[in-house]
Amino acid sequence: ELKVEQNPLFLSMQEGKNYTIYCNYSTTSDRLYWYRQDPGKSLESLFVLLSNGAVKQEGRLMASLDTKARLSTLHITAAVHDLSATYFCAVDWDDKIIFGKGTRLHILP
Amino acid sequence: EPEVTQTPSHQVTQMGQEVILRCVPISNHLYFYWYRQILGQKVEFLVSFYNNEISEKSEIFDDQFSVERPDGSNFTLKIRSTKLEDSAMYFCASSYGGLNEQFFGPGTRLTVL
Repeated sequence: ELKVEQNPLFLSMQEGKNYTIYCNYSTTSDRLYWYRQDPGKSLESLFVLLSNGAVKQEGRLMASLDTKARLSTLHITAAVHDLSATYFCAVDWDDKIIFGKGTRLHILP
Repeated sequence: EPEVTQTPSHQVTQMGQEVILRCVPISNHLYFYWYRQILGQKVEFLVSFYNNEISEKSEIFDDQFSVERPDGSNFTLKIRSTKLEDSAMYFCASSYGGLNEQFFGPGTRLTVL
């Protein structure tokens, strides 16, 4: 079965700093998702990446996909406190979505 | 914009009771899914449903679980005799095709006492 690994699983960072969350997956897939989840809340879709070299940006978040390396990154630029949440990477596989364990991001003022 | 809806948003039940979680998928979608997220853990696939039958189910989806599309709009997940470990957030999702993007509902938080 496809495995999705995120790292780091926990990240505490200062406001204003840049950082990257990594997502590796073990088998070829046609679609990769990034979701944000606030405590006790639903999944908020951030990005859907379909092709090799795809890059999408929304505000301070930028996601990229390298299908050859089976790697996606979520880059945070000049972090602000409002970005504190858990971020999940997830991959389509065999008619279902396989999720990573999530990266809990805590941004310190 | 069309969206997946779920009711109730929060359900509290006693151990051993039956619960039914309801979902209204996006209207022209043909594939339906349930996922589960135990508090603090990752989201896990439970079951997929197409053409009025289960396409695939995970090992979590045992005989206590069942799914149904009772009419043209609703998609339900039933747990026959709830256990404490069934406490979780349950997400419904739908897609137009099996290889198309899945869209998630807001989830139902199930608490089993």
